[in-house]
Amino acid sequence: DAGVTQSPTHLIKTRGQQVTLRCSPKSGHDTVSWYQQALGQGPQFIFQYYEEEERQRGNFPDRFSGHQFPNYSSELNVNALLLGDSALYLCASSPGTGGYYEQFFGPGTRLTVL
Amino acid sequence: AQKITQTQPGMFVQEKEAVTLDCTYDTSDPSYGLFWYKQPSSGEMIFLIYQGSYDQQNATEGRYSLNFQKARKSANLVISASQLGDSAMYFCAMRPYSGNTPLVFGKGTRLSVIA
Repeated sequence: DAGVTQSPTHLIKTRGQQVTLRCSPKSGHDTVSWYQQALGQGPQFIFQYYEEEERQRGNFPDRFSGHQFPNYSSELNVNALLLGDSALYLCASSPGTGGYYEQFFGPGTRLTVL
Repeated sequence: AQKITQTQPGMFVQEKEAVTLDCTYDTSDPSYGLFWYKQPSSGEMIFLIYQGSYDQQNATEGRYSLNFQKARKSANLVISASQLGDSAMYFCAMRPYSGNTPLVFGKGTRLSVIA
């Protein structure tokens, strides 16, 4: 049973560029959430996708956008990259949107913005 | 709004000893779940244990147990018989049952197990 997978593992971009990160949820899961984890901090919620729609959004600017596909996989897009966007981006999946569901995390994508 | 507080930035424990990692939370929601995750240096968040707010008994998963004190709003993680592989960051998180609210994490505690 494959867990949550993310690609790429590492990414280096320069300021102003755009980046797309990808996530495939755990088998049987239909809900995908994205988190940003800055160095030395806990993860911060970006947004959640369910039934191909953004269901909930954290305090992140519109430069952060996403998409969910019919197979439940998801993309996170960040436009006009800033140095402060350097972080570990974690994708988590769950079998629904309720708070009682465990969220299973992928290995993350480490983004460095130069 | 929910808030998680982990007051121990770093902890040391001797191999084979038990250790308690502290977590307090704040929420106005009557129903919620509490979670602990382990994050090794590789970065992946590994789910350890879950406690529901209405659960009468403290959750246990192998060497992990959660000391849940609802009145004090605390959800401490106890790791028994520490192993060198337990060295990692540990995050406490919570999420209300209602709505599509996300997980809220604390800042984490770095645990170092000494041989």
